[in-house]
Amino acid sequence: DIQMTQSPSSLSASVGDRVTITCRASQSIRSSLNWYHQKAGKAPNLLIYGASSLQSGVPSRFSGSGSGTDFTLTISSLQPEDFGSYYCQQSYTTPRTFGQGTKVEIK
Amino acid sequence: QVQLVQSGSEVKRPGASVRVSCKASGYTFSTCGISWVRQAPGQGLEWMGWISGHTDITNYAQRFQGKVTMTTDTSTNTAYMDLRSLRSDDTAVYFCARDCGGYAIFDYWGQGTLVTASS
Repeated sequence: DIQMTQSPSSLSASVGDRVTITCRASQSIRSSLNWYHQKAGKAPNLLIYGASSLQSGVPSRFSGSGSGTDFTLTISSLQPEDFGSYYCQQSYTTPRTFGQGTKVEIK
Repeated sequence: QVQLVQSGSEVKRPGASVRVSCKASGYTFSTCGISWVRQAPGQGLEWMGWISGHTDITNYAQRFQGKVTMTTDTSTNTAYMDLRSLRSDDTAVYFCARDCGGYAIFDYWGQGTLVTASS
């Protein structure tokens, strides 16, 4: 199975800060990487697919980059509603696997 | 608008089975598959498997082989996930998610169903 490792596991940032979350795959997954945001008690919400494509309806402050094994999710200006957990997920092969998550807290 | 509506919470004894349903609306059911993802309390997301929206083709994660059965009823646009021989570590929220073209990009999700396996 492809292992997905996110860093950091948690972070605390202020409104307006630039936030970066990284995701590393245990082998190349080309650009088959998706990002989700989940608030407590809710279903995940797709933010980015194909490593860098913004899902319809998602604010442009979210962006994704990377290919191969190293990927990045960037929030250009953190907003209060961005708190919660972020997960990367590889869609390159089965079983589909997720990173362990990054918990974002607002200072 | 696309919606996936799941069945309600379940409490089962260890060793029992449970069925979770996921009713789709707002799109042509046969054009997309459904993946099932679970989340144990306080833990991350775990993909369980996928079923086609127009055939009986399934793809289960190896660790769930023999444990899970995924089916669909195209007459009601509903997907089902049956989990058997429940153990306490099967306690989790189970999500269905739309998965079109087998690309494993989960663009719409159900609200989640809490399954508790406890004596």
